[in-house]
Amino acid sequence: QQQVKQSPQSLIVQKGGISIINCAYENTAFDYFPWYQQFPGKGPALLIAIRPDVSEKKEGRFTISFNKSAKQFSLHIMDSQPGDSATYFCAASFYAGNMLTFGGGTRLMVKP
Amino acid sequence: GAGVSQSPRYKVAKRGQDVALRCDPISGHVSLFWYQQALGQGPEFLTYFQNEAQLDKSGLPSDRFFAERPEGSVSTLKIQRTQQEDSAVYLCASSSGVAGFSYNEQFFGPGTRLTVL
Repeated sequence: QQQVKQSPQSLIVQKGGISIINCAYENTAFDYFPWYQQFPGKGPALLIAIRPDVSEKKEGRFTISFNKSAKQFSLHIMDSQPGDSATYFCAASFYAGNMLTFGGGTRLMVKP
Repeated sequence: GAGVSQSPRYKVAKRGQDVALRCDPISGHVSLFWYQQALGQGPEFLTYFQNEAQLDKSGLPSDRFFAERPEGSVSTLKIQRTQQEDSAVYLCASSSGVAGFSYNEQFFGPGTRLTVL
């Protein structure tokens, strides 16, 4: 059972544009929702994370929007840059610091 | 400071061979996780250690998979009698917090890419 579904699988955006990646989860017990960025040959690195008590969190060009009633959350990358080209994973966990359940990933390419 | 390191970075095994994958977490990190990442997929949880105690091994796919962390620092994931379906990247992550008590970031290593022929 896939508990975290992510879309799209791939995304091409022009430099300066907005990249939007969406995730949906099934289990309402999840209470921590991070986004990870992964470059080829590297491990995932935490970008930004949110808890369900807030609807939005912004850090620099990265914003998470969270809709608890719809069980959905999304990552917005403003002013996308070629250096943002990577694979992005949403994830969710029960309680704090527990095992992460990942989405399937979105391969982002930002064209110059 | 040094991050999470894993060795070897690449491992090729013939079907039926045993392999051992090593993880050196960030010094002082209490929690250690192993994940399996198939090609083009998101990582999937395998097992969790709090210090030397293996508190969750619900994600291990079969009894051919075994993990240990005897002194609460370095961890080894062992796969016996490897099969082709074991081919994947094995990721290790560590965290300074204790699962269930704190929102602490998991820091991932670069992974070991295992190819079983």
